[in-house]
Amino acid sequence: GESVGLHLPTLSVQEGDNSIINCAYSNSASDYFIWYKQESGKGPQFIIDIRSNMDKRQGQRVTVLLNKTVKHLSLQIAATQPGDSAVYFCAENMYNQGGKLIFGQGTELSVKP
Amino acid sequence: EAQVTQNPRYLITVTGKKLTVTCSQNMNHEYMSWYRQDPGLGLRQIYYSMNVEVTDKGDVPEGYKVSRKEKRNFPLILESPSPNQTSLYFCASSPNDRGNEQFFGPGTRLTVL
Repeated sequence: GESVGLHLPTLSVQEGDNSIINCAYSNSASDYFIWYKQESGKGPQFIIDIRSNMDKRQGQRVTVLLNKTVKHLSLQIAATQPGDSAVYFCAENMYNQGGKLIFGQGTELSVKP
Repeated sequence: EAQVTQNPRYLITVTGKKLTVTCSQNMNHEYMSWYRQDPGLGLRQIYYSMNVEVTDKGDVPEGYKVSRKEKRNFPLILESPSPNQTSLYFCASSPNDRGNEQFFGPGTRLTVL
């Protein structure tokens, strides 16, 4: 069925370390995968997306990796900062359903100073 | 300032009393969407609109209505609210018709007694 899930609900890292947040998906028809960040009391904020025909995409301090063989998506944050503490969601945009998005449940990232 | 606004931010109502949550964006975005966020369930899409007069169901459309008469506004209507619609609601807009990079509003906390 259609689902986007996360391996770990919480992740705690030391400031300055790299963070890796994982996401599994089940729908092979997906076209785009997107990562959002949600800080406490705020709406989600777009971080980065990757099209299904790509394996890797880099942004500012973030890298998204897509492994279609095992239907796995990850978000890597370099030199994690306290301001990175938030809940991170992966989302799936399915090609055959236009603008419909399905979100995963989220991973809470906690950065220790 | 480019933004998505929602009103009201907080609402407590009773079962069966019709209500409307307004959403407006000033970025001339084609795509708009409504989500609800519940603990343990993440963000679930209610309805989305890829353009004026075009709306489509998301994952959880039951009990909700929307309209898109003009580009900037996308109100969410609950004709007969029930307690299971108690949730945190987010409106979002996107500059592309696939809805990948979405800008979210601040959220509306709805309680139905």
